[in-house]
Amino acid sequence: EPEVTQTPSHQVTQMGQEVILRCVPISNHLYFYWYRQILGQKVEFLVSFYNNEISEKSEIFDDQFSVERPDGSNFTLKIRSTKLEDSAMYFCASRPGPEGEKLFFGSGTQLSVL
Amino acid sequence: GENVEQHPSTLSVQEGDSAVIKCTYSDSASNYFPWYKQELGKRPQLIIDIRSNVGEKKDQRIAVTLNKTAKHFSLHITETQPEDSAVYFCAASIGSNYQLIWGAGTKLIIKP
Repeated sequence: EPEVTQTPSHQVTQMGQEVILRCVPISNHLYFYWYRQILGQKVEFLVSFYNNEISEKSEIFDDQFSVERPDGSNFTLKIRSTKLEDSAMYFCASRPGPEGEKLFFGSGTQLSVL
Repeated sequence: GENVEQHPSTLSVQEGDSAVIKCTYSDSASNYFPWYKQELGKRPQLIIDIRSNVGEKKDQRIAVTLNKTAKHFSLHITETQPEDSAVYFCAASIGSNYQLIWGAGTKLIIKP
């Protein structure tokens, strides 16, 4: 079965530094998402992306966050100036199209901000 | 906005018994309700889902029921096995974007 892949699996950074989390969605999928999960807590929606633009974003997704689809395969999440509270597991997800609700999740990037 | 409440936070059942996890949602426009299983350190895996035009759906030992009037939906696992031990999340979404709002999770422990 095709999978969403994420790199790196772990990222350690210093507070204030910029990080880019990378995702390769399943190739024929059209809708892309970023979610995050702070250790022991619920999964939280960050942003959805369709047709090369953000379609929805949550309150968490403030000006320090941005997403990009730089080419036909990658989907990235950039955090401009990381804070301690950004430490979490970040999951990328994708789904096929208008009638396909099932989200396919990547294995996640564990971000640790020191 | 949508809010999803999930109970209990921890559920311990004897192997072979049934487990029930309940969720409520706030926005009556929600139209899709998936359940995810997450093992420690791994990605959430969809185990079953239901759309708002259906009241019940079953897949082997797993079933989901939806009460739109009461805005409740529940996950039922029968004949529980040790490998069912995990954290289970319910979620709800509205509209065509299928942005998911998640419950807080239930840690299911299957006692041998």
